[in-house]
Amino acid sequence: GNSVTQMEGPVTLSEEAFLTINCTYTATGYPSLFWYVQYPGEGLQLLLKATKADDKGSNKGFEATYRKETTSFHLEKGSVQVSDSAVYFCALPNSGGYQKVTFGIGTKLQVIP
Amino acid sequence: GAGVSQSPRYKVAKRGQDVALRCDPISGHVSLFWYQQALGQGPEFLTYFQNEAQLDKSGLPSDRFFAERPEGSVSTLKIQRTQQEDSAVYLCASSLTSGLTYEQYFGPGTRLTVT
Repeated sequence: GNSVTQMEGPVTLSEEAFLTINCTYTATGYPSLFWYVQYPGEGLQLLLKATKADDKGSNKGFEATYRKETTSFHLEKGSVQVSDSAVYFCALPNSGGYQKVTFGIGTKLQVIP
Repeated sequence: GAGVSQSPRYKVAKRGQDVALRCDPISGHVSLFWYQQALGQGPEFLTYFQNEAQLDKSGLPSDRFFAERPEGSVSTLKIQRTQQEDSAVYLCASSLTSGLTYEQYFGPGTRLTVT
């Protein structure tokens, strides 16, 4: 079945630093790819998504490009803020026609002032 | 509008007790999912409903786990004879329909601790 491999954290960065969180996937076909974020004390929420190869998803200054040739969907942000401190999950749906989602292990990001 | 709500937010159960976890999805959402998230891990799929029909329960870890959605809205996840390994956060999510590009909206979760 479909799977994701995500870099383990925690990742600690200073404010305004550049962020990369690596994610690679194994999938049948070309599924949509997602990044979810879980802020402290809150539920999971969709951060961004890409639905086909070479698509770039973006939201709140975060970006990720669907790379078919490297089967990757790395999350990037040019200048992180303290408010970005959260756990980030790479995810993809199964190929069964609905949205059973497979999540990565999660990467905890801590941004210090 | 209101998001997905779950209750209780926290539950402590003694080993062997039965528990029931409730999920109120967003009104009108057809699809409903339950996930289990162990400490330090990503959520893992448990089961899926389309309206009142449970179409996939392949992720339920044992026959002690049972889920229902009798009227196609509120759902209950029941765990019988709880064990310590059942300690986790149980997440509910709903989606407008079952298409692969439709966003799932997650509730805040119920943290179950089995002592």
